[in-house]
Amino acid sequence: AQTVTQSQPEMSVQEAETVTLSCTYDTSESDYYLFWYKQPPSRQMILVIRQEAYKQQNATENRFSVNFQKAAKSFSLKISDSQLGDAAMYFCAYRRGGGSNYQLIWGAGTKLIIKP
Amino acid sequence: EAQVTQNPRYLITVTGKKLTVTCSQNMNHEYMSWYRQDPGLGLRQIYYSMNVEVTDKGDVPEGYKVSRKEKRNFPLILESPSPNQTSLYFCASTPYPGARETQYFGPGTRLLVL
Repeated sequence: AQTVTQSQPEMSVQEAETVTLSCTYDTSESDYYLFWYKQPPSRQMILVIRQEAYKQQNATENRFSVNFQKAAKSFSLKISDSQLGDAAMYFCAYRRGGGSNYQLIWGAGTKLIIKP
Repeated sequence: EAQVTQNPRYLITVTGKKLTVTCSQNMNHEYMSWYRQDPGLGLRQIYYSMNVEVTDKGDVPEGYKVSRKEKRNFPLILESPSPNQTSLYFCASTPYPGARETQYFGPGTRLLVL
C-alpha cells in the first residue's frame, strides 16, 4: 500500500524568507502524481502545485516550487519570499496514475507559521 | 462558477441519530469521493463513486453509507452516528477518466457527535 510521510509537524519562517517542507512517499507504482495542498484556517483545500512522476522537470508555480527526487521518493515544497498569507497547514498527497479509484493518499500535514 | 457544495457546514448531533451530509457539484464530473480529516492522520477516503449507481468503499467505510442516484449529488449517510465519527468531512469530484485532472474539493463539513 502507498504511504505518504510528512516528518515536520510544524515549521516556522520569517516573513520574506524561504522555507522547505519535506515529504516522502512509498509506492511500487511507476505512474503516479504528487500534490501539495494548502489548508488555511477556513479549512478549504487549495491545490498549490502538482507533479507528474514521468516528468523529470520540477514543477513551479510562482513562489512555490518542488524538488522531486523520484529515486529517493522525496517530494519537498519550497516557498520563496514567504508571506503572511502563506500561513496554513500544508499537505502532501499521492495518487496512482492507473486504476478506477482516483484516491488521494495524504500525509499528516505540516503547520507553517509565518513570523512578521 | 465551478464548485462543489456541501451542507450543512457545521453539525452537532447525538449518538444514534441518523444524519445525511449532502454534496453537489455543477461540473458534470463522473467521479466523486468522500474523505474524513482527523488531526495527525491527514485525510482518509470513506467512499467513492465512478458514476451514477456505481459506488465502492475507500479505506474507512465502516459506519457510513453513500448513494449516487444523480450525477451531481453524492450524499454521505450516517445511519447511527457515534462519537468516533466526529471529524471534518470533505467531498471531492473530478472528471472520469481523469487521473491527470485536479480534484475539486467542497468547503468541508465539521461534525460533532455527542
